Amino acid sequence: EAGVVQSPRYKIIEKKQPVAFWCNPISGHNTLYWYLQNLGQGPELLIRYENEEAVDDSQLPKDRFSAERLKGVDSTLKIQPAELGDSAVYLCASSYSGRVVDEQFFGPGTRLTVL
Amino acid sequence: AQSVTQLDSHVSVSEGTPVLLRCNYSSSYSPSLFWYVQHPNKGLQLLLKYTSAATLVKGINGFEAEFKKSETSFHLTKPSAHMSDAAEYFCVVSGSTSGTYKYIFGTGTRLKVLA
Repeated sequence: EAGVVQSPRYKIIEKKQPVAFWCNPISGHNTLYWYLQNLGQGPELLIRYENEEAVDDSQLPKDRFSAERLKGVDSTLKIQPAELGDSAVYLCASSYSGRVVDEQFFGPGTRLTVL
Repeated sequence: AQSVTQLDSHVSVSEGTPVLLRCNYSSSYSPSLFWYVQHPNKGLQLLLKYTSAATLVKGINGFEAEFKKSETSFHLTKPSAHMSDAAEYFCVVSGSTSGTYKYIFGTGTRLKVLA
């Protein structure tokens, strides 16, 4: 079974530039998550999708961040414009459903560096 | 509200000696609890999970954890450390707030295994 796929793995951009991250979840997983992981910290949820619906985006900075999950499969997370403080690892995860007991499967992440 | 505290940011053990990574949680009801491991440049991998069944949970690679409600703890142990265990470990509590659920990650414990 293929795992969660993320691309790119690494991205270096200058501040004020736009950037996009892509995630392909495990086949059959209805729930998709985007997390932000700062250095030395645990991941923090940015947004959670149930199929194509964003059911929790309370922690997403909507002035510069946006996300979409068309057709309830792949998802894209965008930052425009990027700021220095956005340098972090962006993790995508998926689970079969959004139940409390469900295991989340994580991708390798995209490491963003903003110069 | 749920929260999780990992009591040690760094733990060093010698190869072949026991491992203890400490985690305390706070939850207004019976939580689901997880331990994940993160190797450098790799995705988070589930070690084990507690979901209100047996309080002693066995996971992969010889790890286990015991849910102690009276102590609000979910410490991770392994009888004998191996060099390949060197990684970052995250304790996670899963809970529902206002109809939405999310993983709450601890800040992580970096395990170093000395030869």
